[in-house]
Amino acid sequence: DIVLTQSPATLSLSPGERATLSCRATQSISTHLAWYQQKPGQAPRLLIYEASDRATGIPARFSGSGSGTDFTLTISSLEPEDFAFYYCQQRNNWPLTFGGGTKVEIK
Amino acid sequence: QVQLVESGGGVVQPGGSLRLSCAASGFTLNDYGVHWVRQAPGKGLEWVAFQRFEGSNELYADSVRGRFTISRDNSKNTLYLQMTSLRPDDTAVYYCAKEIGGGYHYLEYWGQGTLVTVSS
Repeated sequence: DIVLTQSPATLSLSPGERATLSCRATQSISTHLAWYQQKPGQAPRLLIYEASDRATGIPARFSGSGSGTDFTLTISSLEPEDFAFYYCQQRNNWPLTFGGGTKVEIK
Repeated sequence: QVQLVESGGGVVQPGGSLRLSCAASGFTLNDYGVHWVRQAPGKGLEWVAFQRFEGSNELYADSVRGRFTISRDNSKNTLYLQMTSLRPDDTAVYYCAKEIGGGYHYLEYWGQGTLVTVSS
């Protein structure tokens, strides 16, 4: 199985700051990676797919990059509603796998 | 608009069975791949099962293969997850999710989840 490792586990930032989240795969997955946001008590929400394509309705402050084994989700300027958990997911191989998550918390 | 509503969760004893339902609206279930994903309390996301559009080709996580079965009733636009031989480590919120389309296995729409607790 492809293991996705997300770092850091927790990111403490203030509103308006830039957030940079990392996801690393144990083998190349081309650009077959998505990012999700999840708030407590809610279902995940698709943000980015195919490493860099924003899903419908996702604000432009969210951007994704990377290919192969190293991927980044960037939130250019954190809004209060962006403090949440973020997960990456690969579709390159079965089984689909998710990273362990990064919590973006208010500093 | 697209909506997925899960039901059927609850408390079940180890070794027991449960069937989850996921009622879809706003789209035709037959046209999309669909998944079940679970999240144990305080933990991350774990993919459980997939069924290709038109109901062919099911795939399962190793942890549930042989115990769980994904199926759908197109006449009711409803997805199911039949769970048998349940174990305490199956305790989780179970989400159904619809793919984004184009054959991409990304999960664009999710239900609100239904909690399954396996405990004696």
